[in-house]
Amino acid sequence: GAVVSQHPSWVICKSGTSVKIECRSLDFQATTMFWYRQFPKQSLMLMATSNEGSKATYEQGVEKDKFLINHASLTLSTLTVTSAHPEDSSFYICSASNGFQDNSPLHFGNGTRLTVT
Amino acid sequence: GIQVEQSPPDLILQEGANSTLRCNFSDSVNNLQWFHQNPWGQLINLFYIPSGTKQNGRLSATTVATERYSLLYISSSQTTDSGVYFCAGVTDSWGKLQFGAGTQVVVTP
Repeated sequence: GAVVSQHPSWVICKSGTSVKIECRSLDFQATTMFWYRQFPKQSLMLMATSNEGSKATYEQGVEKDKFLINHASLTLSTLTVTSAHPEDSSFYICSASNGFQDNSPLHFGNGTRLTVT
Repeated sequence: GIQVEQSPPDLILQEGANSTLRCNFSDSVNNLQWFHQNPWGQLINLFYIPSGTKQNGRLSATTVATERYSLLYISSSQTTDSGVYFCAGVTDSWGKLQFGAGTQVVVTP
């Protein structure tokens, strides 16, 4: 159980365009989803926490107007990188939680590699 | 937030060797997980281990919660064990994970 699907797995876009990344929980209801970013040779850094039906909570230094997060249902959260620039090129990965009430491990999507040209 | 320190940062092993990776936490965690990130970026859950010892094949992990550290053991290493190993701790009730910097493991034939 606890399968998280992320789409697309990779995307190349031109500078100035927007890109949407989807994160789905396939076999459970995810009240909370987390979005991480990973630059080459670095660790995963939390960008934002997304709760179903409410506004996302962004970590310090993450621009909320640039990284739009929508968690409209219990199985889907989306991250939209708006007006993407080359410095936004990174590996984006999501994880989902059902509230951690059953003390189960967190599972991650397979990530999305974004390249902005 | 908590600080998560992993050591060593890099590890080169000859196939068949054993090794130990360490993870220290600056404060108590509700949960602790070990992950293996493969060259394609996929994060593979290895262990969910808030305390105690678990084994899965050639891998095992031990967490001593009272002393705020966890160890990951790799025995009889294989080239497929290469990649980055991360530990991460959960500090809230929703599963917000704080990752360490990782240990880059290279297993040579």
